[in-house]
Amino acid sequence: GDSVTQMEGPVTLSEEAFLTINCTYTATGYPSLFWYVQYPGEGLQLLLKATKADDKGSNKGFEATYRKETTSFHLEKGSVQVSDSAVYFCALSRRIQGAQKLVFGQGTRLTINP
Amino acid sequence: DTEVTQTPKHLVMGMTNKKSLKCEQHMGHRAMYWYKQKAKKPPELMFVYSYEKLSINESVPSRFSPECPNSSLLNLHLHALQPEDSALYLCASSDTGLLLRTGELFFGEGSRLTVL
Repeated sequence: GDSVTQMEGPVTLSEEAFLTINCTYTATGYPSLFWYVQYPGEGLQLLLKATKADDKGSNKGFEATYRKETTSFHLEKGSVQVSDSAVYFCALSRRIQGAQKLVFGQGTRLTINP
Repeated sequence: DTEVTQTPKHLVMGMTNKKSLKCEQHMGHRAMYWYKQKAKKPPELMFVYSYEKLSINESVPSRFSPECPNSSLLNLHLHALQPEDSALYLCASSDTGLLLRTGELFFGEGSRLTVL
């Protein structure tokens, strides 16, 4: 079945550091891929998405490229800020019974120190 | 309007109480979802409604009873819960996937439930 594996956290960086959070997936076909972010005490917000191979999703300085050959969707940001501290979830989406089923990775907690 | 609104934001209830969580969206989405999220874990799917009909029940105990009165509203009725049911309950909505859309789910802020 479908699955998503994220790098283990927590990750702690200094402000302005480069960020990479690895994500790989196992799935048949071409699912859509997502990064969701959850700030403390809040729900999930979509950070970025990609729907087909070689698509690059980007938002708020974050980027991720859908790599079919390596089944990966790594999240990157060139210069992180304290406000980026949150939990990041990689996910894939599969259409099922008239809806969309999201398969989440375990989440990576990111802390940015000033 | 790309919001999913959940009420209440916080709920404390005893094991014998009956309460309800409510969710509303006005994006025209015809699929709505309930997820349960425990601390430091990803959300777990509980129920899916598609066109106001229950399409997926992930073997959720009957003390959780979902209801979809119309295409904009989703309720979760709670009765005789256990302390281990304390969690963040997230509502989400999406298109049904019949059109060539991305499969994105829009989440609400969640209702944080504490069962005493």
